[in-house]
Amino acid sequence: DGGITQSPKYLFRKEGQNVTLSCEQNLNHDAMYWYRQDPGQGLRLIYYSQIVNDFQKGDIAEGYSVSREKKESFPLTVTSAQKNPTAFYLCASRGTGFSQPQHFGDGTRLSIL
Amino acid sequence: QKEVEQNSGPLSVPEGAIASLNCTYSDRGSQSFFWYRQYSGKSPELIMSIYSNGDKEDGRFTAQLNKASQYVSLLIRDSQPSDSATYLCAVNSGGSNYKLTFGKGTLLTVNP
Repeated sequence: DGGITQSPKYLFRKEGQNVTLSCEQNLNHDAMYWYRQDPGQGLRLIYYSQIVNDFQKGDIAEGYSVSREKKESFPLTVTSAQKNPTAFYLCASRGTGFSQPQHFGDGTRLSIL
Repeated sequence: QKEVEQNSGPLSVPEGAIASLNCTYSDRGSQSFFWYRQYSGKSPELIMSIYSNGDKEDGRFTAQLNKASQYVSLLIRDSQPSDSATYLCAVNSGGSNYKLTFGKGTLLTVNP
């Protein structure tokens, strides 16, 4: 089945540690996105990529980094510079055209140990 | 700052009633509008999209768009307990860059 796979489902980070969240899609979508969701809050855009080897900062990029070496993959690294990383992280992708919606993976829940 | 505003709720309706969810947005240039449903602890799933003024119906769901008033709404007819979730309004406020701006969501509870 076509879809977006995020792993792991749960992740724990120690102080000073970088962690990487995986996002893979087999929908042949050009655009991919990373969001952060805090309890009772909407989704806030961290980074997005509209094509391989190119990505742009979203509204809350500080403390995060991404890469887009393959069309199917858009991993997110939460660095030690992100002081409050506990949140629900969502990866999304979409097809070409302004009318195309974003579709989401199942998310990764990151917590501080 | 482009904004999308929703009433956080909770909105409580009895089973079988019509639930009305509202959303306003600040960017007049927005072109596409989406409603997502998010169950607790889960990721958002798309339920409706709308691009032109007027109504768009899909089963028990109707999306309404009024660009002049910068207002989009979602009606859920014959509400069921399984409709209990948070409903997120999303607006394409990025133009050709296509960035969705999300509201904080409205929590809907349908009481049996």
